[in-house]
Amino acid sequence: DAGVIQSPRHEVTEMGQEVTLRCKPISGHNSLFWYRQTMMRGLELLIYFNNNVPIDDSGMPEDRFSAKMPNASFSTLKIQPSEPRDSAVYFCASSWTSGSTDTQYFGPGTRLTVL
Amino acid sequence: GQQLNQSPQSMFIQEGEDVSMNCTSSSIFNTWLWYKQDPGEGPVLLIALYKAGELTSNGRLTAQFGITRKDSFLNISASIPSDVGIYFCAGRDGTASKLTFGTGTRLQVTL
Repeated sequence: DAGVIQSPRHEVTEMGQEVTLRCKPISGHNSLFWYRQTMMRGLELLIYFNNNVPIDDSGMPEDRFSAKMPNASFSTLKIQPSEPRDSAVYFCASSWTSGSTDTQYFGPGTRLTVL
Repeated sequence: GQQLNQSPQSMFIQEGEDVSMNCTSSSIFNTWLWYKQDPGEGPVLLIALYKAGELTSNGRLTAQFGITRKDSFLNISASIPSDVGIYFCAGRDGTASKLTFGTGTRLQVTL
């Protein structure tokens, strides 16, 4: 079975540019999560969706960040405009949420560098 | 955001040694999870714990859900070079799908 698929794996861009990260969750999963990982702050949850609906976006840093999930098999995380402090590894994870036993499976991540 | 405290932050051990690491929280969790992250990859689930006091094994790995529900432990027996990586604990309080992740324990295994 294919795991969580993320693209691109690496992105280098200049400050001010728009960046779009993409995620395809595991087929059949109903929850999708976007995380950011940095040395300073570790793994932080940015936003998560359940049945394509955003449930908690309290981790989104600011209005420059937005996420969408137009259908069960695709999600995007957009940063516009990007800033050097956005440089990090961004992970997408998905799970089948049922009661208290949902287990999150992570993608390989997108390493973003903003110059 | 909130983070769990993991210790130790890093460990350098010799192949064949046993390893212990733990995670503590000021909050009660209903689920504890242990993940391993290899360089350039996403975290991979190792063990999931759902009940206070639960002890679960996965090969050479054993994890326990603390009886107070505020801590968890992971032990690795007879370490091998491929155990190298960063180990994260994560907790869920049961009110939602959100996980709170620990700060990570970086494990190095020398031959």
